[in-house]
Amino acid sequence: AQTVTQSQPEMSVQEAETVTLSCTYDTSESDYYLFWYKQPPSRQMILVIRQEAYKQQNATENRFSVNFQKAAKSFSLKISDSQLGDAAMYFCAYRSPRDDKIIFGKGTRLHILP
Amino acid sequence: NAGVTQTPKFQVLKTGQSMTLQCAQDMNHEYMSWYRQDPGMGLRLIHYSVGAGITDQGEVPNGYNVSRSTTEDFPLRLLSAAPSQTSVYFCASRQGHPDEQYFGPGTRLTVT
Repeated sequence: AQTVTQSQPEMSVQEAETVTLSCTYDTSESDYYLFWYKQPPSRQMILVIRQEAYKQQNATENRFSVNFQKAAKSFSLKISDSQLGDAAMYFCAYRSPRDDKIIFGKGTRLHILP
Repeated sequence: NAGVTQTPKFQVLKTGQSMTLQCAQDMNHEYMSWYRQDPGMGLRLIHYSVGAGITDQGEVPNGYNVSRSTTEDFPLRLLSAAPSQTSVYFCASRQGHPDEQYFGPGTRLTVT
């Protein structure tokens, strides 16, 4: 079965600085999808960025980018120019096209220091 | 579009009671899922559906039942609530392509 591991339960970053959140996963599949979700205190789950495993190019969305290392099964999220509104729980997630299940990591709580 | 709606937002049950958490989406999405979120555990998949009349189990299905009689609705039933089912429950839906998953606002359930 697939697993997703986020090894950093909490992180802090100074406002305007750059921070990287780590995620590793375990799978025997070659084709899959990876996601980062943000959950602010409102509890709403918000999609930040997604990556298809067959694409070698790393996904970017404005200040958010990923470093996807397929061989290493690593999918880290980089947040540039951190803003106070980025403070939230961040979840890494894996989806298999075979059974359509989405598996989440346990999350990383990100604090932004003014 | 209202997106994904969940009712109720909060619920307190006594051990042994039953109830149904409602989930509806108005985006004509094929796929719908139920997750529970517990502190330090992330989101864990309970049950999911790939279309009307089709459901399957996720990681933690015990104690929960689902059905999918229409595309729009995907209720989650607790047959006999237990304190271990105290959690925040999220419903989500997505279309096949593009496959962004939309989440409801969540239901906070407490079982005493």
